[in-house]
Amino acid sequence: GDSVTQMEGPVTLSEEAFLTINCTYTATGYPSLFWYVQYPGEGLQLLLKATKADDKGSNKGFEATYRKETTSFHLEKGSVQVSDSAVYFCALSGIAGRRALTFGSGTRLQVQP
Amino acid sequence: EAGVAQSPRYKIIEKRQSVAFWCNPISGHATLYWYQQILGQGPKLLIQFQNNGVVDDSQLPKDRFSAERLKGVDSTLKIQPAKLEDSAVYLCASSLGTGAEAFFGQGTRLTVV
Repeated sequence: GDSVTQMEGPVTLSEEAFLTINCTYTATGYPSLFWYVQYPGEGLQLLLKATKADDKGSNKGFEATYRKETTSFHLEKGSVQVSDSAVYFCALSGIAGRRALTFGSGTRLQVQP
Repeated sequence: EAGVAQSPRYKIIEKRQSVAFWCNPISGHATLYWYQQILGQGPKLLIQFQNNGVVDDSQLPKDRFSAERLKGVDSTLKIQPAKLEDSAVYLCASSLGTGAEAFFGQGTRLTVV
């Protein structure tokens, strides 16, 4: 079945550091790929998405590129802020996005001033 | 625009008791999902509705869990009887349709003692 593997946390960075959170997936067909974020005390919210190979999703300075050859969708940000501290979930939706989301286990990011 | 509403926010019950959670999706959203999120893990799909019909309930433990979505709007998820391992956050999400962006509620945190 479909599955998502993401790097374990917590990830602790200083403000303005470069962020990478690795995510790889297994799916039949061509899934849509997502990053969701959960800030403390809030619900899950969509951060960015990509629906086909080589697409780049971006939002709030975060980026991720859909790499079909390596089945990866790594999240990056050039300069993190304290306000980026949250739990980040990589997810996929199988059959070109027509199925419910399958999530990774989440990566907690802590940014120190 | 109002988001996905869930109640209660917190619930503590003893094992073997029953419990019900309620979800009111965003108006006009045809697709509704219930997810279970155990501490330290990503959300896992329990059931997906399209209007008031079940699309996917393959991961719902049907011996103790049930869900319904009357009139294609609100939904309830019930556990009877509860076990210790049911302690988790139960998330409801909705979307305009399959493949559209899913919006999540804040969840109900269930503790079974």
